[in-house]
Amino acid sequence: DAGVTQTPRHEVAEKGQTIILKCEPVSGHNDLFWYRQTKIQGLELLSYFRSKSLMEDGGAFKDRFKAEMLNSSFSTLKIQPTEPKDSAVYLCASSFSQNTLYFGAGTRLSVL
Amino acid sequence: DAKTTQPDSMESTEGETVHLPCSHATISGNEYIYWYRQVPLQGPEYVTHGLQQNTTNSMAFLAIASDRKSSTLILTHVSLRDAAVYHCILRVGSGGSNYKLTFGKGTLLTVTP
Repeated sequence: DAGVTQTPRHEVAEKGQTIILKCEPVSGHNDLFWYRQTKIQGLELLSYFRSKSLMEDGGAFKDRFKAEMLNSSFSTLKIQPTEPKDSAVYLCASSFSQNTLYFGAGTRLSVL
Repeated sequence: DAKTTQPDSMESTEGETVHLPCSHATISGNEYIYWYRQVPLQGPEYVTHGLQQNTTNSMAFLAIASDRKSSTLILTHVSLRDAAVYHCILRVGSGGSNYKLTFGKGTLLTVTP
C-alpha cells in the first residue's frame, strides 16, 4: 500500500540556493500538510492544502517558503533562498478530511 | 502545557510483550487518543488511535481506561524494528486546527536481542 512518498530523502544545499522538496500523498486523501521538525522547535506547520486549495500558510515561513499543489497527487515545497537555519527534517503528511494524519519518511535538509 | 504524560524510557527484549502507559487526566469528550512512533530522522509513523473502546490492529492493541484518563499501548512479540520513540497525543477527530500537532518527549522504547 502506497503511503506518503517524499523525495529526496536527503538534500544538501549551499546557503542561498533554491531547493525543491516533493511529496506524493496517500491516494484518495484530500488534505496535504507540510511540516518542519527540529529538536528545539518540534513540529511546525508550514502549509495546509484541502483539495489543492491553500487553507493555511505558516505565517513565519511565508517569505522564503512556498508550497504548491499542482494536482491532487503531487505537491512541492520550495525554499528560496536557503539559509543555514533551515536545516531540519521536512515532513509531508496527508489525511482524508482531517482524520488520521499519515506522514512521509521526511527529507533531511542540511544547509551549509 | 503537555496534556499527556508518558515515562521517558522503557526497555524490552525481543519476543516479549510491552505495555506503554499514557496518562491524560484532562482529556475532553471529543478528543481521541492517538499513538505515533518515530525513529531518528524519519517521519512519525501512525500506530493506532481510539476514543473510548479498546482497539486493535496489526501493529498494536490500545487499552483505554473506562474513565478515559489513561491508556496503554500493548505491543506483542516485539522485534528490533519496534525500537522507537512512542508518542501519545490527544486530538479531536476532525475540524478546527487538529492538524497542529505537538509531540512531547514520548517514551523511548529500547529492544535488545
